[in-house]
Amino acid sequence: KQEVTQIPAALSVPEGENLVLNCSFTDSAIYNLQWFRQDPGKGLTSLLLIQSSQREQTSGRLNASLDKSSGRSTLYIAASQPGDSATYLCAVTKAGTASKLTFGTGTRLQVTL
Amino acid sequence: GAVVSQHPSWVICKSGTSVKIECRSLDFQATTMFWYRQFPKQSLMLMATSNEGSKATYEQGVEKDKFLINHASLTLSTLTVTSAHPEDSSFYICSVFDLLAQYFGPGTRLTVL
Repeated sequence: KQEVTQIPAALSVPEGENLVLNCSFTDSAIYNLQWFRQDPGKGLTSLLLIQSSQREQTSGRLNASLDKSSGRSTLYIAASQPGDSATYLCAVTKAGTASKLTFGTGTRLQVTL
Repeated sequence: GAVVSQHPSWVICKSGTSVKIECRSLDFQATTMFWYRQFPKQSLMLMATSNEGSKATYEQGVEKDKFLINHASLTLSTLTVTSAHPEDSSFYICSVFDLLAQYFGPGTRLTVL
């Protein structure tokens, strides 16, 4: 059974800092990996999607990397802003079942002024 | 990506009543939709996969007679929580799969008194 873990569980940084969120998964036979953002009491916003054949994806200040063989992904946020404060979730889909997501435990990020 | 709406955004009901939650895909014809449940400060747990024109597939431990899912058209799936109890209070989120990634609705907060 796939298990997805995110470290740290919570993080507080001052505005302007660069930061890294970590995601690890136990079964490397994945189809793709997605990073999501969730604001309190809200749904999920897809940030980045990395196919299993890719190493990284970039969108604005966000960069996600994938090392499938070691079962790890990182989300790098450059020049953090208070508006980045949210919970960040990673999720993987299993190879052969491209649609079913297994979510990580989440990292609650607080960017302070 | 696909745009997904949910209705209602929040609902309060008495114990023993039934509640219906709608999930609509506004710009994409979705043969597959997913229903998730999220308890406070926890990650999303997949409840069931909704398939247009056929029966839903439920995850282990999810009571199919309690959580009725109907996917009658390519743009609408409904989740009915029957005989709701306080322990069913949770945040319910649906998603649409567009053959590559999942896109999530804004969620429905259910509180059972």
